[in-house]
Amino acid sequence: EPEVTQTPSHQVTQMGQEVILRCVPISNHLYFYWYRQILGQKVEFLVSFYNNEISEKSEIFDDQFSVERPDGSNFTLKIRSTKLEDSAMYFCASSEAIKNIQYFGAGTRLSVL
Amino acid sequence: QKEVEQDPGPLSVPEGAIVSLNCTYSNSAFQYFMWYRQYSRKGPELLMYTYSSGNKEDGRFTAQVDKSSKYISLFIRDSQPSDSATYLCAIPSSSNYKLTFGKGTLLTVNP
Repeated sequence: EPEVTQTPSHQVTQMGQEVILRCVPISNHLYFYWYRQILGQKVEFLVSFYNNEISEKSEIFDDQFSVERPDGSNFTLKIRSTKLEDSAMYFCASSEAIKNIQYFGAGTRLSVL
Repeated sequence: QKEVEQDPGPLSVPEGAIVSLNCTYSNSAFQYFMWYRQYSRKGPELLMYTYSSGNKEDGRFTAQVDKSSKYISLFIRDSQPSDSATYLCAIPSSSNYKLTFGKGTLLTVNP
């Protein structure tokens, strides 16, 4: 069964460093998403991406965050200068079309020290 | 009022019990509703979705939507220890890009 793949599974970084989280969405999907889940809290929407541009973003997704689809298969989330409060699980998701079901990857656990 | 509210539990039941998990939502424009299951330190996994009011059944799982009360439920019959997980209700926004999740209910099924 096709699945969303995320790497790495765990990323440890120092505060102020840049990190790039990587995702390979399901191959025929056109819509891509990032969510995050701080320990013990809700899964929160960050951003959605379609046709090489952001379609919607939340208040959390400020200038420190960016997304990119550098090639036909990868979808990345970059955090330019990490803060302690960026420590969370980051989930990538994809869907075949708008209004379709979003399928999630296993997540990347980001630990900012 | 929060868009989606869910009792976080935790909920502990014996094997074989019927489990009822619930969410309420505030926006009457929401059109379809999802339940995800999340095992510890894993991503949400889609369990069921419904596009309208009424019931939808899939094996031991039944999803129910009451749009007049803005209330959604997930019932698990003959619960198994492998059902132990966090259950998340999720509702797409009017733009359909964003999923808004409930906080999740942690379920433990004891053998």
